[in-house]
Amino acid sequence: EIVMTQSPATLSVSPGERATLSCRASQSVNYNLAWYQQKPGQAPSLVIYGASTRATGIPARFSGSGFGTDFTLTISSLQSEDFAVYYCQQYNDWPPVTFGPGTTVDIK
Amino acid sequence: QLQLQESGPGLVKPSETLSLTCTVSGGSISRSNYYWGWIRQPPGKGLEWIGSIYYSGSTYYNPSLKSRVTISVDTAKNQFSLSLRSVTAADTAVYYCVRVMYPTGLFYFDCWGQGTLVTVSS
Repeated sequence: EIVMTQSPATLSVSPGERATLSCRASQSVNYNLAWYQQKPGQAPSLVIYGASTRATGIPARFSGSGFGTDFTLTISSLQSEDFAVYYCQQYNDWPPVTFGPGTTVDIK
Repeated sequence: QLQLQESGPGLVKPSETLSLTCTVSGGSISRSNYYWGWIRQPPGKGLEWIGSIYYSGSTYYNPSLKSRVTISVDTAKNQFSLSLRSVTAADTAVYYCVRVMYPTGLFYFDCWGQGTLVTVSS
């Protein structure tokens, strides 16, 4: 089973600033990585798939990068609606697909 | 617009079977290139994939839960269901039904239900 880790656990950012979230896999997942956003009391929603492709309706301020074991989700200018928990998920070697423990982006 | 809605008991006794159904609206469950599945999230914790099913009945399960899980599909009702046997308090979680993108072996979740909290307690 591929183990996913995320850092930092919590990221405190001011509105308008850039947020950079990291995700690492215990072995290569190629480009087979997705990011999800979960707001309090809501279901997660897809943000990025294929490591760098934005899902439908996701604004351009969200960007994903990386390959193999190291990935980054960048939010270029944080808006109030972006404060949430973000999870990465690998789907290169499954079952099972596996998720990271999440990064909470909160208001500084 | 595709919508997924979970339904089922919110309270299950230890050692009994947790049963949930997901009703899909706004699209056919029989559409190719999509699996359908279940993901759970214990209160305050992260996400765990339980398993997924194709409209033909082909399934994949998380090995950690495989001995206790059955996922089935009813294409006539546009529904799929989860059965988790011999539950304990550790199975207390919000259970989400999801649509799984599955072109050429990819496997990510592009549509989620709102989730339903299932508590295991006597």
